[in-house]
Amino acid sequence: QSVLTQPPSVSGAPGQRLTISCAGSSSNIGAGYDVHWYQQLPGTAPKLLIYDNNNRPSGVPDRFSGSKSGTSASLAITGLQADDEADYYCQSYDSSLSGVLFGGGTKLTVL
Amino acid sequence: QLHLQESGPGLVKPSETLSLTCTVSGDSITSSSYNWDWIRQPPGKGLEWIGSIHYTGSTYYNPSLKSRVTMSINTSKNQFSLRLTSVTAADTAVYYCARIKWGVVVAIVTPRFLDFWGRGSLVTVSS
Repeated sequence: QSVLTQPPSVSGAPGQRLTISCAGSSSNIGAGYDVHWYQQLPGTAPKLLIYDNNNRPSGVPDRFSGSKSGTSASLAITGLQADDEADYYCQSYDSSLSGVLFGGGTKLTVL
Repeated sequence: QLHLQESGPGLVKPSETLSLTCTVSGDSITSSSYNWDWIRQPPGKGLEWIGSIHYTGSTYYNPSLKSRVTMSINTSKNQFSLRLTSVTAADTAVYYCARIKWGVVVAIVTPRFLDFWGRGSLVTVSS
């Protein structure tokens, strides 16, 4: 099944650590394809946040990290800040789709 | 620094054809390691991959849109384009163009991550 499942929303207080999960299947994450994460601030285009499971592009703070295990992946954010409020999307390749697959997105709220 | 800019009509009538162009600056569109993609986002909803094109003209489309989508590329102008036919209100969305890295994963060449995005172009389907 060509679906990446993310929680619709997560929230945390400033300074806290939180994680966003991305559950896939044997045609995408479970098949060994890498997971990538994007941050979309309100009213802007998505921005690459993590690529190849756990790599940060230049300029992305090390407060953001990624991991992958089995058919799932996670994005972790430490030292939560107000300007981390955004939508976060996971993405992978799906062999059934023969193309790019996005998760449904998770809205992060900083309390 | 790579820059992508979408352009095209902001309003399209139902049953007509949506056409958008993405102009790339800061690098050549003929890099062999990259494809050029279209992604859309309906208002208040998530991201949907539309399709991908290589500078050689090879294309890959989302099966759910394949019957209505055509992508093309103009290397002399460093541009690539999207055509979506028979549009309905469900096609109302912000349309993004982006560059996608390709590489070998699990022993096959596959699309990987989208590293540069345009700012997006809102297209509304309405009479």
